[in-house]
Amino acid sequence: GAVVSQHPSWVICKSGTSVKIECRSLDFQATTMFWYRQFPKQSLMLMATSNEGSKATYEQGVEKDKFLINHASLTLSTLTVTSAHPEDSSFYICSANRGRTEAFFGQGTRLTVV
Amino acid sequence: QKEVEQNSGPLSVPEGAIASLNCTYSDRGSQSFFWYRQYSGKSPELIMFIYSNGDKEDGRFTAQLNKASQYVSLLIRDSQPSDSATYLCAVRAGNMLTFGGGTRLMVKP
Repeated sequence: GAVVSQHPSWVICKSGTSVKIECRSLDFQATTMFWYRQFPKQSLMLMATSNEGSKATYEQGVEKDKFLINHASLTLSTLTVTSAHPEDSSFYICSANRGRTEAFFGQGTRLTVV
Repeated sequence: QKEVEQNSGPLSVPEGAIASLNCTYSDRGSQSFFWYRQYSGKSPELIMFIYSNGDKEDGRFTAQLNKASQYVSLLIRDSQPSDSATYLCAVRAGNMLTFGGGTRLMVKP
């Protein structure tokens, strides 16, 4: 079946540094990918919609200069958390739609900022 | 604002029983409906999707959709302890997928 691969699965970084997370659709092309953030015991919160070849669309309250999204190809979207702070520690998950009815998630990235 | 509502639970059922998970949504333009299972610390995994009114069965899982009443449910037959997880209902309109808060299911041996 379709697979969305996310890398890395976990990362620990120092406060003030930047972290890049990759999301790849392995066997289908995804013109649109989505980035979510999930805090412990909470549901998924959509951060932004990543569109191939154009700027990402950010949800209200999400800082676009802090969370940089690049959808350079039909199979790859990246999320860069810039100048990370401990409050950015969270579980980040990407997803991609296939056709009209299917949506698949990456494995998620556990980010810890120390 | 488009909303997807689920009872947060926990819903506790004995092993072998039927677990019934419910979800309501507000956007009548919603086209597709998904159930995901999420284990603690893991990414959600797709269980089923449904886009036509009625029932859709896959193994021990049955999704039910009623667009007129704007609800979708998931039945899990012969519940197993390994089914214990948080179940997320998601509703898609266009490209956007909106999630409910999830229902935590506990299946007791």
